[in-house]
Amino acid sequence: NFMLTQPHSVSESPGKTVTISCTRSSGSIASTYVQWYQQRPGSSPTTVIYNSNHRPSGVPDRFSASIDSSSNSASLTISGLKTDDEADYYCQSYDGTNRVFGGGTKLTVL
Amino acid sequence: EVQLLESGGGLVQPGGSLRLSCAASGFTFTNYAMTWVRQAPGKGLEWVSAIDLSGGYTFYADSAKDRFIISRDNSKNTLYLQMNSLRAEDTAVYYCAKDRGGDDYAWSWGQGTLVTVSS
Repeated sequence: NFMLTQPHSVSESPGKTVTISCTRSSGSIASTYVQWYQQRPGSSPTTVIYNSNHRPSGVPDRFSASIDSSSNSASLTISGLKTDDEADYYCQSYDGTNRVFGGGTKLTVL
Repeated sequence: EVQLLESGGGLVQPGGSLRLSCAASGFTFTNYAMTWVRQAPGKGLEWVSAIDLSGGYTFYADSAKDRFIISRDNSKNTLYLQMNSLRAEDTAVYYCAKDRGGDDYAWSWGQGTLVTVSS
């Protein structure tokens, strides 16, 4: 079993770029796909990244993701921040047949 | 367009049971595993249970083992979660999600249904 650890919160100004990390506690981060979900207040989650670095249609290319094997972590990068990006972001991966979520990161755009 | 519509949530006493349903449309239901995820008030997402394409294999988080049963009816494009021996800590919004299918890991989510366990 492994855990995914995210920073509790990050903040940045509109127009800037922010990166949210997701560190896997054991096993290789590259061994299974990582997904990223956005959850705005009062709404259900939506997928912004799947298969580690793919964007669903409708998600702007300001959202990108990568894997860093040296730090055993995945990262979600949002460029050109908009106030509408303010939300909670969760990473998720697979541990065999189990699904694992990170604890979530609250992004504040101010 | 993928649509997932949960129902069956509500107020239940500790020790009681509840059955959640999730009606799916807009995709080939039998091509995808399905999952239940919950979110306690003010907390993060917690995976609860998943089921494979045919319904022959089911998987549970430790918090759900021996109390919850996931199932699917592929003829009705519907996912279920039977929850028994409910506890106060099961209080949460329960989301149905289209899980992976083949190499497609793009989850889709329902709007959620609130389960409150309280006397």
